Amino acid sequence: AQSVAQPEDQVNVAEGNPLTVKCTYSVSGNPYLFWYVQYPNRGLQFLLKYITGDNLVKGSYGFEAEFNKSQTSFHLKKPSALVSDSALYFCAVRDGGYSTLTFGKGTMLLVSP
Amino acid sequence: EPEVTQTPSHQVTQMGQEVILRCVPISNHLYFYWYRQILGQKVEFLVSFYNNEISEKSEIFDDQFSVERPDGSNFTLKIRSTKLEDSAMYFCASGLTGGTYEQYFGPGTRLTVT
Repeated sequence: AQSVAQPEDQVNVAEGNPLTVKCTYSVSGNPYLFWYVQYPNRGLQFLLKYITGDNLVKGSYGFEAEFNKSQTSFHLKKPSALVSDSALYFCAVRDGGYSTLTFGKGTMLLVSP
Repeated sequence: EPEVTQTPSHQVTQMGQEVILRCVPISNHLYFYWYRQILGQKVEFLVSFYNNEISEKSEIFDDQFSVERPDGSNFTLKIRSTKLEDSAMYFCASGLTGGTYEQYFGPGTRLTVT
């Protein structure tokens, strides 16, 4: 069975500082990894994905994520946080052979001015 | 930019009643999904639908649940006899393919069962 762990319930960072939101995963096959963001009263918005190739993937709004196979991690990063980045972030994994997405419990990112 | 829409945004129903949640996926997408998120918990997969049939379903998706694509544009989730524990946010999603392509989510329907 596939699973995702987001070890932090909340991440606090000052505007302008770099941010990292952590995610580790477990799948039996090849992992397809995704990050989504949820703003209040909105659905989940796709940020970026890793399927294959370069371990560093770039996505929307200046976010990027690094796939690390040996550590089974896919941490979300941004070099300089904005107050508007404050939201709930979900990591998700799909086992290559199936379409089901398994989500982590989410990490609330709070960026202070 | 095309988006997934869902109606209603909030549904209140009494225990034992039937509810139908509606979704309009992105028009050229072929795969459709329902997820739910109980307050304070993680997003959970319910069911995926492709080529007019269920392709995968979770343990949550029991006989009380059904899905349908009645007219080529809408995608519905029916709960036949709601229980208190069905109270959750229900998200519809669609994707162009079922493999590497990302899923696009609607804004959700908050279902409250009293």
